[in-house]
Order: sequence, then structure tokens, then C-alpha cells
Amino acid sequence: QQQVKQSPQSLIVQKGGISIINCAYENTAFDYFPWYQQFPGKGPALLIAIRPDVSEKKEGRFTISFNKSAKQFSLHIMDSQPGDSATYFCAANNYGQNFVFGPGTRLSVLP
Amino acid sequence: DARVTQTPRDKVTEMGQEVTMRCQPILGHNTVFWYRQTMMQGLELLAYFRNRAPLDDSGMPKDRFSAEMPDATLATLKIQPSEPRDSAVYFCASGWGGETQYFGPGTRLLVL
Repeated sequence: QQQVKQSPQSLIVQKGGISIINCAYENTAFDYFPWYQQFPGKGPALLIAIRPDVSEKKEGRFTISFNKSAKQFSLHIMDSQPGDSATYFCAANNYGQNFVFGPGTRLSVLP
Repeated sequence: DARVTQTPRDKVTEMGQEVTMRCQPILGHNTVFWYRQTMMQGLELLAYFRNRAPLDDSGMPKDRFSAEMPDATLATLKIQPSEPRDSAVYFCASGWGGETQYFGPGTRLLVL
């Protein structure tokens, strides 16, 4: 129940395309859903986050869509760029506890 | 530009040796996390502290791992004795309240 499932494991997108990464959770107590971006040799960095009281949050080219009833959330990267090539992790926690990360998605954006 | 710092960045040691990793959280943050990252297991939460008190270390092998916060500016993770299966990248992260976490650059550990 503490797991967060993430798919796909890897993703290849052409420059300018849309990258979509999906996550699913079981624990309905989770109330904070961040996405992290990690470049090789670096630590994960917070990209964008959402709470379950909204269905969508957009920051620049990055959008989180949240479906509370389905217990799913997804990251959309519009106009994907080669510089977006990285590993993306979804995560979840509840009130600053029970931190869980998804297994990660390796995104490659081809020039 | 406030950042989490970790030392050492790389560590190669032999099986059985003690390993100590250090982390300096961002000034003012009250929550510190230790994670281990491997290709097979991904990111695993080992332990976390709030206001220097350990809140959860259930992810940490108790027989050989220990985590402490001697003061608000220093967190340590020790492995004694180290084993080859401990080879991984260890990340420290800090935050206020725990939801948003700022990760350090990691310590890459190789146990031979």
C-alpha cells in the first residue's frame, strides 16, 4: 500500500513532442505528490508538485494531471527538448511522513 | 544560493571498514533525510529526522547502519562494517516540514 507505481520505465520522444509519465498509488492518506528530475551524477531536484484538491497544475512546459478517484497522476512535458533528457521520479507522502518514490522513468529527447 | 552539501563525494573502501558520510542541510531547514539509490532498488528512504530527532529509520539495516544529527548543521550516516552490497549512491536531503526536499549531490560509495 505504500508503493507508488510508475510507467513507462523508459521513454524516447522527438524534440518538440509531448512526454507523458504516469504514476499510481494505493494509500489514500497521501496528500502531496511531487515530481523530481534527476540528471546523471546529480541529486534529484523538485520539478513540480500537486495536492489532491486540484486536478491540474501547470508550470511552464510541465503539467501535472491528478485523478483522485483513480488514484493516478501524470507528468506531461510539452514541447520536449533535449535538455529535458533525465530520469523523472514521482513521489508521494502524507503530512510530511511516509515518503515513497516511484522507480523512475528515463526520458531521452532526440534532437 | 543555499544548497545541501555532502562529503565525501566519492568513497572507495574495503569490506569490513567503517564508512562515515556527512551532510550539511540548508540553514533553517528542520527535516533531514537519508536515501540510498541503486539501479535495482531505485531510491530508498533510509531514515529521517525532524528538529534533530529521528522520526523513522525503518528503512535502515539496524545491525550495521546508524544515523545521527549531532547538531542542526550536521547529519551523519555510518556503516560499520561495510559490505559490497552497500555500494550505492547515498543522498541527503533537507526541507522545512518534510514535503519539499532539497537533495545534495550524493556520496558514491564502492565497497570492494
